[in-house]
Amino acid sequence: DGGITQSPKYLFRKEGQNVTLSCEQNLNHDAMYWYRQDPGQGLRLIYYSQIVNDFQKGDIAEGYSVSREKKESFPLTVTSAQKNPTAFYLCASSITGRSEAFFGQGTRLTVV
Amino acid sequence: AQSVAQPEDQVNVAEGNPLTVKCTYSVSGNPYLFWYVQYPNRGLQFLLKYITGDNLVKGSYGFEAEFNKSQTSFHLKKPSALVSDSALYFCAVLYSGGYQKVTFGTGTKLQVIP
Repeated sequence: DGGITQSPKYLFRKEGQNVTLSCEQNLNHDAMYWYRQDPGQGLRLIYYSQIVNDFQKGDIAEGYSVSREKKESFPLTVTSAQKNPTAFYLCASSITGRSEAFFGQGTRLTVV
Repeated sequence: AQSVAQPEDQVNVAEGNPLTVKCTYSVSGNPYLFWYVQYPNRGLQFLLKYITGDNLVKGSYGFEAEFNKSQTSFHLKKPSALVSDSALYFCAVLYSGGYQKVTFGTGTKLQVIP
């Protein structure tokens, strides 16, 4: 089945630790995105990538980093510099930046 | 700059009645407009989009939306609501020119009452 896969579904992090969220797609999409979802705030864009080896900061990139070494993979690292990382993280991909997006099932990150 | 507003945090409708979830947008130039639905603890699912052409767009699960350029609105509608339609609905806008970056609304929770 074609789709976009995020792992893990739930992730717990101790304060001061870096964690990496995985996002893989087999849809052959060029564009990939990371969003953060907090209650009542909708989706906020963290990073996006239109092609391999290129990515751009979104609206709330501070404390996060990404890489796009392969077309199908766009991992997100939540660093210790992110002061409030507890949230629901969504990865998405689209054929182009102007197409509708396909979303993964999300990763819920909790700082303990 | 672009923005999208969903003025209602929650919409309640009785099963079988028509439903409307409101969305207004602001963008310089021609917009691309999208509706997505999210069920609890899941990712978003695409419902429909407007790019150009007919102002009435039909999408998945019997949903449709009407693009109104003069009112800068893109309201989501369905003639007869189902309990299973209860979910969180997001409107999104994209400026058709320039570098593509979608802006999402804050979401509207739809509650269909049996």
